[in-house]
Amino acid sequence: DIQMTQSPSLLSASVGDRVTLSCKASQNIYKYLNWYQQKLGEAPKLLIYYTNSLQTGIPSRFSGSGSGTDYTLTISSLQPEDVATYFCQQYNSWWTFGGGTKLELK
Amino acid sequence: EVLLQQSGAELVRPGSSVKISCKASGYTFTDYYMHWVKQRPEQGLVWIGRINPANGNTVYAEKFKSKATLTADKSSNTAYMQLSSLTSEDTATYFCTRWDFWGQGTLVTVSS
Repeated sequence: DIQMTQSPSLLSASVGDRVTLSCKASQNIYKYLNWYQQKLGEAPKLLIYYTNSLQTGIPSRFSGSGSGTDYTLTISSLQPEDVATYFCQQYNSWWTFGGGTKLELK
Repeated sequence: EVLLQQSGAELVRPGSSVKISCKASGYTFTDYYMHWVKQRPEQGLVWIGRINPANGNTVYAEKFKSKATLTADKSSNTAYMQLSSLTSEDTATYFCTRWDFWGQGTLVTVSS
């Protein structure tokens, strides 16, 4: 099974900051990686698919990059409504989710 | 508009079974796999498995092979997941998802 490791598990940042979240796969996942945002009490919401494609309706301050085993989600200018937990997910071999990064305001 | 509408919260006894539903609308039900995901309180997401609504073929994650049963009814555009031999470890919110759209989640509480 492919394991997904996200870091950090908790991130505190200020409004306007550039924020980078990391996700590492236990083997090459060939860019088959999605990023989801989950706010408290809600279902996950797709932000980025296939590493760097922005889902319709998602603000352009969100972007994704990576290849092989290492992937990142970047928020170019943090907004208050971005407070949430972010999950990466590989779909190269069935599905596996990372443990999540909880993003809070400093 | 794609919508996945799940059934309501369930309170069930240890050792029993529960069947939750996910009604799809806004797209052709048989064109997409339906996946199910488990989330325990304050924890991450765990993939349970998927069903192909077009032919009923299923794939399960190893740890759910004897726990979950996925079915789909093409006539009503509804996917189902049955969980059996419930224990406190099964207390969680369960989501159905196409991958890009998610249901609102169904909370299953196992308690005597």
